[in-house]
Amino acid sequence: GEEVAQTPKHLVRGEGQKAKLYCAPIKGHSYVFWYQQVLKNEFKFLISFQNENVFDETGMPKERFSAKCLPNSPCSLEIQATKLEDSAVYFCASSQSSVAEAFFGQGTRLTVV
Amino acid sequence: GQSLEQPSEVTAVEGAIVQINCTYQTSGFYGLSWYQQHDGGAPTFLSYNGLDGLEETGRFSSFLSRSDSYGYLLLQELQMKDSASYFCAASGYNQGGKLIFGQGTELSVKP
Repeated sequence: GEEVAQTPKHLVRGEGQKAKLYCAPIKGHSYVFWYQQVLKNEFKFLISFQNENVFDETGMPKERFSAKCLPNSPCSLEIQATKLEDSAVYFCASSQSSVAEAFFGQGTRLTVV
Repeated sequence: GQSLEQPSEVTAVEGAIVQINCTYQTSGFYGLSWYQQHDGGAPTFLSYNGLDGLEETGRFSSFLSRSDSYGYLLLQELQMKDSASYFCAASGYNQGGKLIFGQGTELSVKP
């Protein structure tokens, strides 16, 4: 597709429940990124992929967060045992190369109650 | 650590020119990008500086000075629709396109 598609738009989970977010990058883009934005402030980098391989996961709280980008499937970000502080908008972005501009999806708003 | 500083908010009137500054401290700095975000929606790419100097794209220009670790976004002929948040973001060598963002500057354009 010509745009980064994220689903769902909104997600509400009780504390301790699992949350799974999906992202379909733009076709032909090799790099996929996940960012977390809390209260419209800065974007915190979580993880990046080059094709289906993890490139950089230095931003991931590894004990509860995991992500995948498998061939012929949307990429996914999963949060096990959500906490109140995980409430944020999660943006996925993709780019053609490591030096090209990144195109962002509309985000998934996760609310943990 | 890596950090980018930009003003939290700026106000200007329609038709005016506004400059949003960004200073950075990042290791292995490669380039500076600017993104616009309306009402918490999808950030959209505005401009990129990989080299020192001015890049012009229509009403928007961006400037970079590596020696000063400083850049700015210049918006000319402001329109009401330019009211949004503007983020500077740094990329680094061998970082695979990862962006480190500033806190964002909320621009309000008044009639």
